[in-house]
Amino acid sequence: GNSVTQMEGPVTLSEEAFLTINCTYTATGYPSLFWYVQYPGEGLQLLLKATKADDKGSNKGFEATYRKETTSFHLEKGSVQVSDSAVYFCALRSLMANQAGTALIFGKGTTLSVSS
Amino acid sequence: DGGITQSPKYLFRKEGQNVTLSCEQNLNHDAMYWYRQDPGQGLRLIYYSQIVNDFQKGDIAEGYSVSREKKESFPLTVTSAQKNPTAFYLCASRTGEYSNQPQHFGDGTRLSIL
Repeated sequence: GNSVTQMEGPVTLSEEAFLTINCTYTATGYPSLFWYVQYPGEGLQLLLKATKADDKGSNKGFEATYRKETTSFHLEKGSVQVSDSAVYFCALRSLMANQAGTALIFGKGTTLSVSS
Repeated sequence: DGGITQSPKYLFRKEGQNVTLSCEQNLNHDAMYWYRQDPGQGLRLIYYSQIVNDFQKGDIAEGYSVSREKKESFPLTVTSAQKNPTAFYLCASRTGEYSNQPQHFGDGTRLSIL
């Protein structure tokens, strides 16, 4: 079945460091891919998305490129801030087994902690 | 502002009791979803609904029930059959099935056992 694998955290960085959070997926076809961010005690917010191969999603200094050949969608940011501390989820949109619509399949999340 | 409202923010359940979590959206979205979040396990799909008066089981539907009588509302009932209900519950919605729009999430309800 379809699945998403993220690097395990926590990831601990100093302010202004470079960030990479790896995400790989297994899926049939060409699913849309997403990164969501969750701040403590809150729901998930969409960070960026890509809907086809070689698309680059970007937002708030974060970027991720849909790589079909390596089935990857790694999240990067050139210079992290303390306010980026959160849990990051990689997800893909998958057709449900009963064929009655689609839903998101999530990775287990990666906790990022940035210190000043 | 348009968005998804989940209530209550915190909920406590006694043994053998059913509890209902509310999810309301004013985004005019067709599809709505319920996810359960446990530490270290990401989010798992409980139920989803593509249109009013229709819903489908997700990966972990046992012990839960839903209804979709109105487009804007998708309440989740955690029944006494759910033996391990302590978790963070997230509701989401999105526009029609054939769009590429992402899901929008509410702020969640944290359910604990008394």
